[in-house]
Amino acid sequence: EAGVVQSPRYKIIEKKQPVAFWCNPISGHNTLYWYLQNLGQGPELLIRYENEEAVDDSQLPKDRFSAERLKGVDSTLKIQPAELGDSAVYLCASSDRGSPYNEQFFGPGTRLTVL
Amino acid sequence: AQKVTQAQTEISVVEKEDVTLDCVYETRDTTYYLFWYKQPPSGELVFLIRRNSFDEQNEISGRYSWNFQKSTSSFNFTITASQVVDSAVYFCALSEAVGNYGGSQGNLIFGKGTKLSVKP
Repeated sequence: EAGVVQSPRYKIIEKKQPVAFWCNPISGHNTLYWYLQNLGQGPELLIRYENEEAVDDSQLPKDRFSAERLKGVDSTLKIQPAELGDSAVYLCASSDRGSPYNEQFFGPGTRLTVL
Repeated sequence: AQKVTQAQTEISVVEKEDVTLDCVYETRDTTYYLFWYKQPPSGELVFLIRRNSFDEQNEISGRYSWNFQKSTSSFNFTITASQVVDSAVYFCALSEAVGNYGGSQGNLIFGKGTKLSVKP
């Protein structure tokens, strides 16, 4: 079974530029999460989707960040415009709410560097 | 509010030594879940264990063991006879119990992680 797929793995951009990250969850997983991981820190939740609905986006900085999960499968996280402080790893995870434990499976992440 | 504290930022041991990673948590929930994840240099978080707040039995899996003590709000992780491949950042995490009968995990709250280096 394929795991959570994320692309790109690495992205370097100049500040004020837009950037987008893509995530394809494990097939059949209805819950999708985006996490932000700063250097030396644990991941922090940005947004959680149940199918195509964003059910928890309280930690998403909505002035520059946006996300979508059309058709309830893959998802895109966008930053526009990017700032120096956005340099971090962006992790995607998915889970199956119908499974006994609803365990989250993580992708390899996208490492963003803003110059 | 929920919080996870991993006081050890970095630990360095020599191969075959035993090492314990500490985790202290805070929550007002009576039902919750605790986790340990491993993050190797490749970056992908690997699930190691999940523990329900009602189950205080210690668990052993090969060289790994976990000690859950509600009285001290701790969920410590011990690696016996460490190996170089154990080198990684280890995260402790907490989630509320959600869903029908509280059987599912909610959002994960992570600690800052402990970087373990095992030298040959």
